[in-house]
Amino acid sequence: DTGVSQDPRHKITKRGQNVTFRCDPISEHNRLYWYRQTLGQGPEFLTYFQNEAQLEKSRLLSDRFSAERPKGSFSTLEIQRTEQGDSAMYLCASETPTGEKLFFGSGTQLSVL
Amino acid sequence: QKEVEQDPGPLSVPEGAIVSLNCTYSNSAFQYFMWYRQYSRKGPELLMYTYSSGNKEDGRFTAQVDKSSKYISLFIRDSQPSDSATYLCAMTFMDTGRRALTFGSGTRLQVQP
Repeated sequence: DTGVSQDPRHKITKRGQNVTFRCDPISEHNRLYWYRQTLGQGPEFLTYFQNEAQLEKSRLLSDRFSAERPKGSFSTLEIQRTEQGDSAMYLCASETPTGEKLFFGSGTQLSVL
Repeated sequence: QKEVEQDPGPLSVPEGAIVSLNCTYSNSAFQYFMWYRQYSRKGPELLMYTYSSGNKEDGRFTAQVDKSSKYISLFIRDSQPSDSATYLCAMTFMDTGRRALTFGSGTRLQVQP
């Protein structure tokens, strides 16, 4: 499968715990994005990387959130001290080199109890 | 007021009908317009990508952009039960350093066999 891969697909955690999600983009795509989607809403932009550089961050990305892409390949999104309001689908996407098309993974569904 | 408005539906049509899905937007700086289809518990899948005002056709799908009215549409001809999904419009500036997509909230479509 050469699409965008996200792991895990589902995560259930207790409030206050830390969680980490992983994204493996399509191999020739150097831009990688994180979005968050809640029920009945469209995805909301969180942050994006060009290679290993994090170039843009949304104000939605509080200081409890951190994203990395250490070698310009896979990326991780960590949420510290999770809150119930963090419950959402976290989507990763990678972009074609020409910058026209974004391909999404199937997401990680986070439930904070 | 949201930057991108989309009727949430649900929209229910019989198989074979022509479907019209619409979005309005408030920021005239948006330059690129996309339509995504999202099945339940999956990531969004790119259907159509347009830049200029006018029509763009791909198979049963036609995307229409009217920048003067800040209005975009997606038409689906000969709708099929497999078209049942949530349809999301998205748009972006695509300026250097600003690549985030702004999504509508999605329209849920049900095609009845």
